[in-house]
Amino acid sequence: DARVTQTPRHKVTEMGQEVTMRCQPILGHNTVFWYRQTMMQGLELLAYFRNRAPLDDSGMPKDRFSAEMPDATLATLKIQPSEPRDSAVYFCASGIRVGTQYFGPGTRLLVL
Amino acid sequence: AQSVTQPDIHITVSEGASLELRCNYSYGATPYLFWYVQSPGQGLQLLLKYFSGDTLVQGIKGFEAEFKRSQSSFNLRKPSVHWSDAAEYFCAVGAQAAGNKLTFGGGTRVLVKP
Repeated sequence: DARVTQTPRHKVTEMGQEVTMRCQPILGHNTVFWYRQTMMQGLELLAYFRNRAPLDDSGMPKDRFSAEMPDATLATLKIQPSEPRDSAVYFCASGIRVGTQYFGPGTRLLVL
Repeated sequence: AQSVTQPDIHITVSEGASLELRCNYSYGATPYLFWYVQSPGQGLQLLLKYFSGDTLVQGIKGFEAEFKRSQSSFNLRKPSVHWSDAAEYFCAVGAQAAGNKLTFGGGTRVLVKP
C-alpha cells in the first residue's frame, strides 16, 4: 500500500530557528504539493511541483519559506527563520493525474 | 477563479441516522469534484471523485455524492452513519486547466452522537 511519508511528524522549536520538513511522494507520482492547515485559515496551498519543477509558490511567504525537490523521491519545505505564527500542520500530497491527491500524515510544527 | 463553499461548519448527527453534507462550487467549465475526509490527527483521505459520466458517484466507507450541474452542487451522503464517521470533510474542485491543483472548501466537522 503506497503512501506519502513525511518527517518529522512533530517538531517543537524556538523562534528564529530553521525548520526543515521532508516528504517522500508515492513512487511514480509526478506532482507534489505542500499545504498548511490552521484553525483560522483552514487548508492553504503553499507550493506545488510537477516533474520536480516549481509550478506555483504564490501561497508561500517568500522571505522565510522555501520549497525544493532535490530529486523525484524527496521534497523539502524550509522555514528560516521560524516564527510563532508558522505553527501549524504542514501536509505534503502527491499525485499523477488531474486532481487526485494523496496526502501524507503531516508535520505538526510548534514554534515557541 | 474556482471556489468551493461548504455552508455547514459543524453538523451533529445520531449514529444510524443519515448524513448529507453540502458543497457548492464556482467554476466556468466542467469541474472535477472530490470529497476528502480527515480524521483527527490524520491527513486527508480521498472518499470519492467525479470526473465525468454518471452523476451519482460511489465512494469508500459507504459514501456517495451526486453532481448537479444546474445547482453547482456536489453533496455528500451516507444512509446510516457510524461513530467512526466523526471527522472533518472537505469538498474540492479541480480542472484540467489547473493541472493537478485543487481548491478546497472550508470543511464541515461531523460529530456523531451515540
